[in-house]
Amino acid sequence: EVQLVESGGGLVQPGRSLRLSCVASGFTFSSYWMHWVRQAPGKGLVWVSRINSDGSTTTYADSVKGRFTISRDNAKNTLYLQMNSLRAEDTAVYYCARVFYSGSSRWFDPWGQGTLVTVSS
Amino acid sequence: SSELTQDPAVSVALGQTVSITCQGDSLRNYFASWYQKRPGQAPVLVIYGKDNRPSGIPDRFSGSSSGNTASLTITGAQAEDEADYYCHSRDSSGNHLEVFGGGTKLTVL
Repeated sequence: EVQLVESGGGLVQPGRSLRLSCVASGFTFSSYWMHWVRQAPGKGLVWVSRINSDGSTTTYADSVKGRFTISRDNAKNTLYLQMNSLRAEDTAVYYCARVFYSGSSRWFDPWGQGTLVTVSS
Repeated sequence: SSELTQDPAVSVALGQTVSITCQGDSLRNYFASWYQKRPGQAPVLVIYGKDNRPSGIPDRFSGSSSGNTASLTITGAQAEDEADYYCHSRDSSGNHLEVFGGGTKLTVL
């Protein structure tokens, strides 16, 4: 079964750091680009970051650029999101997702169950 | 603001047909994918590409596209289809970034 399982969320004070993990199973993790997407309470899905299959290329949404770092360990089938200088507006459920790119199409499948990050004093 | 625009809410009577739309410039050249999102659950892919359904998604879900608008159609809506639906594609810049629509809350009456 193809599966993604996130962990590492929790309550953190503004300005502090947190690292999220996403463990993949059931597929060849090292062959796929991976993404992080978040959903703030009562809001919609927002793309956060992506990383290519070997970890050499990363991209970020403007809202997290310079504060968040995406990385991966293909030997451990694990995706990471290092979040520094956290703000209240970073409060959200964070999802990892595998992406497929095919011609004029792209889609995320599967998604992890999500991990909640709450930034509050 | 999102580069993909969705109506915030749509309703449909049980067993009837409903279409949820997604508008954006990038959709003139790229297909949208669609996700079902229930509270407290992970998003689930329901449509990708021109009109493809992942294994396990009922055939009452279908997708289409015309000009700058993509549509998700549910033919014979069921109570369990009540959820938020999000479209997804790439942005209009040269960076090939991902973008989601703002989401549509579907209510099945």
